[in-house]
Amino acid sequence: EAAVTQSPRNKVAVTGGKVTLSCNQTNNHNNMYWYRQDTGHGLRLIHYSYGAGSTEKGDIPDGYKASRPSQENFSLILELATPSQTSVYFCASGEDANTEVFFGKGTRLTVV
Amino acid sequence: GDSVTQTEGLVTLTEGLPVMLNCTYQTIYSNPFLFWYVHYLNESPRLLLKSSTDNKRTEHQGFHATLHKSSSSFHLQKSSAQLSDSALYYCALSRYGGSGNKLIFGTGTLLSVKP
Repeated sequence: EAAVTQSPRNKVAVTGGKVTLSCNQTNNHNNMYWYRQDTGHGLRLIHYSYGAGSTEKGDIPDGYKASRPSQENFSLILELATPSQTSVYFCASGEDANTEVFFGKGTRLTVV
Repeated sequence: GDSVTQTEGLVTLTEGLPVMLNCTYQTIYSNPFLFWYVHYLNESPRLLLKSSTDNKRTEHQGFHATLHKSSSSFHLQKSSAQLSDSALYYCALSRYGGSGNKLIFGTGTLLSVKP
């Protein structure tokens, strides 16, 4: 079973502050993804990566940056957090989206 | 652009009744991959079943779905709901983007099964 670990699991941030969400996967998957989950919107893709050093914009990238310094690690960065970014964030990895994607347990972020 | 539509936000059923969760999609690609992911409370979303073959029934853990390209549908069904089926169900479409594929999810359907 693929292991995707997110940290922190819960985070309270202040408006205007910088937030970094971290994700680590141990199955050597090339692809990694960041989604946010909101009621009525489902899972929406923020950024994704096809390998170390690469990042691509997803469907809702505004206000977020991503970093993939290694095969195992993929971070999501909120340079200036806003209350609208309060959500549950999921990291996922997979060899190919046509097969199976494995999710972490999520990070609940509250921006006050 | 590519999209996935799940029309029901909440489906409430009595245990033992059949389950049908609707999923339709739009894509320019003639060979899409469609998926159902299930998200139980306090767990990670995980794959339930998938298909890319037209008109072929796919089954897993008592659930089944058939991809119908003619109607762009991939509805999830189960003959008899169990209390343990209560969860959030996502339909998803794999879409090619740049150097590889990525998953596009619908808005999700919360299935609540009651005694």
